[in-house]
Amino acid sequence: GAVVSQHPSRVICKSGTSVKIECRSLDFQATTMFWYRQFPKQSLMLMATSNEGSKATYEQGVEKDKFLINHASLTLSTLTVTSAHPEDSSFYICSANPGRGSGANVLTFGAGSRLTVL
Amino acid sequence: AQKITQTQPGMFVQEKEAVTLDCTYDTSDPSYGLFWYKQPSSGEMIFLIYQGSYDQQNATEGRYSLNFQKARKSANLVISASQLGDSAMYFCAMREGGKVTGGGNKLTFGTGTQLKVEL
Repeated sequence: GAVVSQHPSRVICKSGTSVKIECRSLDFQATTMFWYRQFPKQSLMLMATSNEGSKATYEQGVEKDKFLINHASLTLSTLTVTSAHPEDSSFYICSANPGRGSGANVLTFGAGSRLTVL
Repeated sequence: AQKITQTQPGMFVQEKEAVTLDCTYDTSDPSYGLFWYKQPSSGEMIFLIYQGSYDQQNATEGRYSLNFQKARKSANLVISASQLGDSAMYFCAMREGGKVTGGGNKLTFGTGTQLKVEL
């Protein structure tokens, strides 16, 4: 089945540093990927839509300069949390649609990245 | 207004019993898709079942079935013969619009139901 790989799975960083999270589609090409954020025991909130070769589309209330998204190839999107602060600590999870077979309607998710900012 | 509502923050079920997790949705779009995902404590999101707004029959996938009542805008998940491994968070989600490619694929999630299967 379609696989979305996310790296790193866990990251701890100091306040003020930047952290990059990668999301790769391993066996399919994804012109669009989605980045979600999840606080403990809460729902997934869409942060942005990553578009290959063009600018990401951010949801209302999400700071573009804070959460930089780059979708440089058909299999890789990156989320960079710039100048991270403790309030940015969260679970970040990406997803993409393989767009084929019985799963043509279904988003496949990465395993998520847990960010802790000290 | 909430687009996806899950009114049960937590549910308990005995092993081998069936359980229903509630989900209601709100949309004015005639074309939409409804999804259920399972999230174990490890955090990964596991797809369980999908129902399209124009599908005539309720979706089924193994022990999972979706009780789709379009007029009531509900899409409850039924898990039959519960197993200990079913203990997890369950999210109902909706995709609005008929476009299933590109940006049309974004999902709106409910707040989830924590299911605990007991012996």
